[in-house]
This record gives sequence, C-alpha cells and structure tokens, in this order.
Amino acid sequence: DAKTTQPTSMDCAEGRAANLPCNHSTISGNEYVYWYRQIHSQGPQYIIHGLKNNETNEMASLIITEDRKSSTLILPHATLRDTAVYYCIAHTGTASKLTFGTGTRLQVTL
Amino acid sequence: GAVVSQHPSWVICKSGTSVKIECRSLDFQATTMFWYRQFPKQSLMLMATSNEGSKATYEQGVEKDKFLINHASLTLSTLTVTSAHPEDSSFYICSAKFYASGGLEQFFGPGTRLTVL
Repeated sequence: DAKTTQPTSMDCAEGRAANLPCNHSTISGNEYVYWYRQIHSQGPQYIIHGLKNNETNEMASLIITEDRKSSTLILPHATLRDTAVYYCIAHTGTASKLTFGTGTRLQVTL
Repeated sequence: GAVVSQHPSWVICKSGTSVKIECRSLDFQATTMFWYRQFPKQSLMLMATSNEGSKATYEQGVEKDKFLINHASLTLSTLTVTSAHPEDSSFYICSAKFYASGGLEQFFGPGTRLTVL
C-alpha cells in the first residue's frame, strides 16, 4: 500500500462541513483510496472509496485530485457523532491487507 | 453493509490463562478474515490473516504459537491468546472482506477488549 499522510487532528463546528485531507503522492494506478473511521472503543467503520472519480454516498463525499496524489473526505454537515479518528488508506482492493496509519482525529464541537 | 460480530466484547482474565475470541460474519461468507490489535492511543496493527480451511498467515513479530487462529467455517474465525500476560492486554479487532456492488470492502467487528491481570 502506498504511504498516506494526514494531519494529526482537526476541529469542526457542528453543522459545518468537515474537510479531511490526505496525501498519497506515491499511489499506484491500481490503488484505490479508502476511508475508514473509528469512534472511540469501537471497530473501524467503512466510509467510502474511489479510484479516479469523485464519489458520494450517504455518509460522505470523496474528492480525488486529477493526478491522484491527494484526496479530501467531506462530511457535509458534521455532527457530534462524527467525532472519531479518520483513516485514509491507499489499497488495491484485491490485496489482503489494510495498513492503518495514525489517521486524523476529528473533534466536532458545539 | 455487511455485519461482523465479535464475542466477547470484553474479557478480564488472570495471567497464564488462555482466552478465545470469536469473529463471525453474520450475513455473508468470508473466506478471509483479519485480526488486528490496538494499544491505547495507537493505530490498528495487523496481526494475522485468517484463511478458511488453511493455516493463518502471521505478520512479522507476531508469535503464531501464542496467538492461535482457527478459521473452520466461512462465517467464523477464532483467535486464542494462550498463556496471556498483562502485556497482551489490548483491543482486538477482526475484519472480513466483502465484495459489494462497488467493489471490495472490508467490514470490522466491534472489537474485544482484553485485560490480563
């Protein structure tokens, strides 16, 4: 898996959009960008993944730059329940392992 | 999404005893499951890959004789921590691969917190 770099922590006001960046400058052509989050003392939760195109689902949007060297996860209207550690992972999808970095600790505040 | 369960959710045991943790895929079959360990304020570390009907593949530095993995069916993998010691106290998380309409996803169990006294 290509190495990813994320800010250690971010704050976001409730109701505002949370934009979480991820750098993956060495990503290879067959690696997807996956996002997971982990709420305290729970297992990670899958959020979204994409290859080239921007993706959107009921949880979030994923914006991938044209050169695929970075991406941004967008939570459009953050709530207190979105407080968690968010992990960005570059992964082929067919390979077995997911390698977790240190992630971004998002704190949503009133 | 697909559901993965773990049992127990927490366990406290005495040093020297063995503890078994179960990981089940509830609504899908999983030929491959994974076991992770997470120490406080650290990220998840992959311990081993569990393959149905064959031996598990362990990551470097993980003692296979201490962390016994059995994947006897397509919906169940077990991790047994043998002769547990306080340094084995950790949050153990399993996951399973699932091929959804959008491609490969990996779903995680809720985790098992092990405390060894």
